[in-house]
Amino acid sequence: DSGVTQTPKHLITATGQRVTLRCSPRSGDLSVYWYQQSLDQGLQFLIQYYNGEERAKGNILERFSAQQFPDLHSELNLSSLELGDSALYFCASSVASGRPDTGELFFGEGSRLTVL
Amino acid sequence: ELKVEQNPLFLSMQEGKNYTIYCNYSTTSDRLYWYRQDPGKSLESLFVLLSNGAVKQEGRLMASLDTKARLSTLHITAAVHDLSATYFCAVVYKGGGADGLTFGKGTHLIIQP
Repeated sequence: DSGVTQTPKHLITATGQRVTLRCSPRSGDLSVYWYQQSLDQGLQFLIQYYNGEERAKGNILERFSAQQFPDLHSELNLSSLELGDSALYFCASSVASGRPDTGELFFGEGSRLTVL
Repeated sequence: ELKVEQNPLFLSMQEGKNYTIYCNYSTTSDRLYWYRQDPGKSLESLFVLLSNGAVKQEGRLMASLDTKARLSTLHITAAVHDLSATYFCAVVYKGGGADGLTFGKGTHLIIQP
């Protein structure tokens, strides 16, 4: 158990809909990352937040957005869903305040999104 | 753009054999990570390599880093079935003042009795 919690574990929805994925980082971790894993694209970095602020953007579509709240949990919002958005979405955390930063990420179990 | 290439992408081997997975990356980085993923599961951190020449071992797995060659290897000794999984290497990408990990496509390893 990495200590990173993601909900929901599975989600089935229709094209055009909007969903929200939630992530609670490891206790004390300030940084949250979102990754998308699909068979054809592999693991793609979407976005990173550090202590509530957006820090880096990767291959995140404009239909997707994220935020990190004061309690450090994060949400990834996916809207106008398309079939190709079906994937496993991982949240990871790192950079615990007061601990050495090795850059190592700790991943949650993922949220599997199926768009029909 | 940072590129991380692993090879092979698929590997089927017999128990008891040795093999090496290679990870090449395209830009300067002194941090490299190896992760394991079982089907449908999360990514589990295996090794954190933080300097040139770093070598780490855990059981039948040994990882090394050569930052000058931009190469890391994951060596499997006397493979056992339980090591069947997908192995990813990842490299820190520093862009816009932020850190993130760029992953290779993964090596899907099947170890047969």
